[in-house]
Amino acid sequence: DGGITQSPKYLFRKEGQNVTLSCEQNLNHDAMYWYRQDPGQGLRLIYYSQIVNDFQKGDIAEGYSVSREKKESFPLTVTSAQKNPTAFYLCASSTGDSLGTQYFGPGTRLLVL
Amino acid sequence: GQQLNQSPQSMFIQEGEDVSMNCTSSSIFNTWLWYKQDPGEGPVLLIALYKAGELTSNGRLTAQFGITRKDSFLNISASIPSDVGIYFCAGHHSGAGSYQLTFGKGTKLSVIP
Repeated sequence: DGGITQSPKYLFRKEGQNVTLSCEQNLNHDAMYWYRQDPGQGLRLIYYSQIVNDFQKGDIAEGYSVSREKKESFPLTVTSAQKNPTAFYLCASSTGDSLGTQYFGPGTRLLVL
Repeated sequence: GQQLNQSPQSMFIQEGEDVSMNCTSSSIFNTWLWYKQDPGEGPVLLIALYKAGELTSNGRLTAQFGITRKDSFLNISASIPSDVGIYFCAGHHSGAGSYQLTFGKGTKLSVIP
């Protein structure tokens, strides 16, 4: 059953702590994306990766880091430099072709203690 | 980043009524996508449109790619309670190296039984 999985569903962060959100896809997609969703603000792009071992900053990359060591995995680290990390985080993937269609995972909600 | 103008922001309708929502942009897109998001879940792709003027249906849902390539609408016929959720439009421009989607802020649909 092909799809995108994100874990955990809920994550709690303490002050000064780095946390890592997992995103895995078995769709054989080349491109992967991380979005942040806040109430009333829609989806904002954090980072994206077009291919393994390559990634680019999106609109709100400050305080976040990513890696793309494997095609199927694109973990997002929320660092202590991100002062307002409470949000719903969505991972997506696409084939990377010119049509641009993206498919989303179920999301991770990050809360600050 | 750029945002699409999606309207209405929210709507309350009676079960059985038809629904219409739309997105407009100042830029031309090559792909229009419509997603539905349930509370606490990731967006699910409903309809993808790849050609100007294209009209595509998915069950009770119908979407059209505007002829100017700057707008799209989504209609839902004979609404039912499970149609409740937030509907997002997204546009993609297939320029060189362009992987990003531009999103609307969503239309929140409530269905009164």
